[in-house]
Amino acid sequence: GAGVSQSPSNKVTEKGKDVELRCDPISGHTALYWYRQSLGQGLEFLIYFQGNSAPDKSGLPSDRFSAERTGGSVSTLTIQRTQQEDSAVYLCASSLSGLASEKLFFGSGTQLSVL
Amino acid sequence: AQTVTQSQPEMSVQEAETVTLSCTYDTSESDYYLFWYKQPPSRQMILVIRQEAYKQQNATENRFSVNFQKAAKSFSLKISDSQLGDAAMYFCAHKTGANNLFFGTGTRLTVIP
Repeated sequence: GAGVSQSPSNKVTEKGKDVELRCDPISGHTALYWYRQSLGQGLEFLIYFQGNSAPDKSGLPSDRFSAERTGGSVSTLTIQRTQQEDSAVYLCASSLSGLASEKLFFGSGTQLSVL
Repeated sequence: AQTVTQSQPEMSVQEAETVTLSCTYDTSESDYYLFWYKQPPSRQMILVIRQEAYKQQNATENRFSVNFQKAAKSFSLKISDSQLGDAAMYFCAHKTGANNLFFGTGTRLTVIP
């Protein structure tokens, strides 16, 4: 696609429910990142995928959070048993090969609201 | 630990004037990259400008330029001839390896017509 696509754009869920957030990176980009942006905060790193390597999960805040990337393309971030503090914008980004010098291309994010 | 600090939560500038957004960072690495990203209300982060730490020359992109002071670990963004479309959140970010881009907490820029 022309850019990084995220769905849904907005998600409202009840506390305790599971949610899945989808990211479709730019075609050919091997590096994919998930970030969380809470109200008034900067971007908090969650997880990084690079090609077929094991993902860097060091930013996941708890074991309720998980992510996968199928076929080196689409990624899904899953939050189990959602809590109100999970409410935030979840941003996905991709880059061509993950080099430090490369710019990241971001999607428009998913606004998650946990009631 | 790698941290990025933006000490100005909000800034405002008169249209056509110049504004400078501050950023400091902390790293033990000698080779790294610094970025300024813009986030408009659409939420999609857009790269404004990029600086390579081993280059002494300050990066410029049209109306946007940086003042990179490596010894002071300072990386400020100057916006000249401000336009209404420049209004957005601006995030300073720092990257060493491939894994992570560390962001500051952002500065909200308002452009006054």
